[in-house]
Amino acid sequence: KAGVTQTPRYLIKTRGQQVTLSCSPISGHRSVSWYQQTPGQGLQFLFEYFSETQRNKGNFPGRFSGRQFSNSRSEMNVSTLELGDSALYLCASSFATPNYGYTFGSGTRLTVV
Amino acid sequence: TQLLEQSPQFLSIQEGENLTVYCNSSSVFSSLQWYRQEPGEGPVLLVTVVTGGEVKKLKRLTFQFGDARKDSSLHITAAQPGDTGLYLCAPRAGGTSYGKLTFGQGTILTVHP
Repeated sequence: KAGVTQTPRYLIKTRGQQVTLSCSPISGHRSVSWYQQTPGQGLQFLFEYFSETQRNKGNFPGRFSGRQFSNSRSEMNVSTLELGDSALYLCASSFATPNYGYTFGSGTRLTVV
Repeated sequence: TQLLEQSPQFLSIQEGENLTVYCNSSSVFSSLQWYRQEPGEGPVLLVTVVTGGEVKKLKRLTFQFGDARKDSSLHITAAQPGDTGLYLCAPRAGGTSYGKLTFGQGTILTVHP
């Protein structure tokens, strides 16, 4: 069965620009979470969507936003990019039942120059 | 604020050796998951432990959840180069934490042939 698909895999943007990343979850998974991974901070939770509603949000500025569509596909947007936003952005999907694991995509490597 | 510590941070061993990595916290968890991440890829779920004192085995990997559900360990027997990667623990607090995984900083394991 198809895994979690993230596009694009690599992205280079300039400071001040905005970027949109896409995530297609495993079929049947209604929960989609987003994480930022950097060498210094590790994996940090951005937000989670379930049935098009944001249920949980991490401690990131409002420049980071997301949404989920009726087919469970999700996008995250980062506006006014800063150099510190350079990171691997990971999407994970799940059935969202207690103790069910998450399946991660391969991520989008964003470099801000 | 939950304090989550993984140790050791780095581990470099020869093929065939045994090793244990630890995940410790000051908080009680409803469950805990272990993931392994290889460079350039997303984390992959290895196991979920739920009950205090629970032990689960996955081939050469043995996972244990502490009796008080505040800590966990991962033991690898006869490590192989294919075990190389970043090992992450992710406790679940339950309640409204659905969709949100809080990861430790991880243990970077390198197994030399």
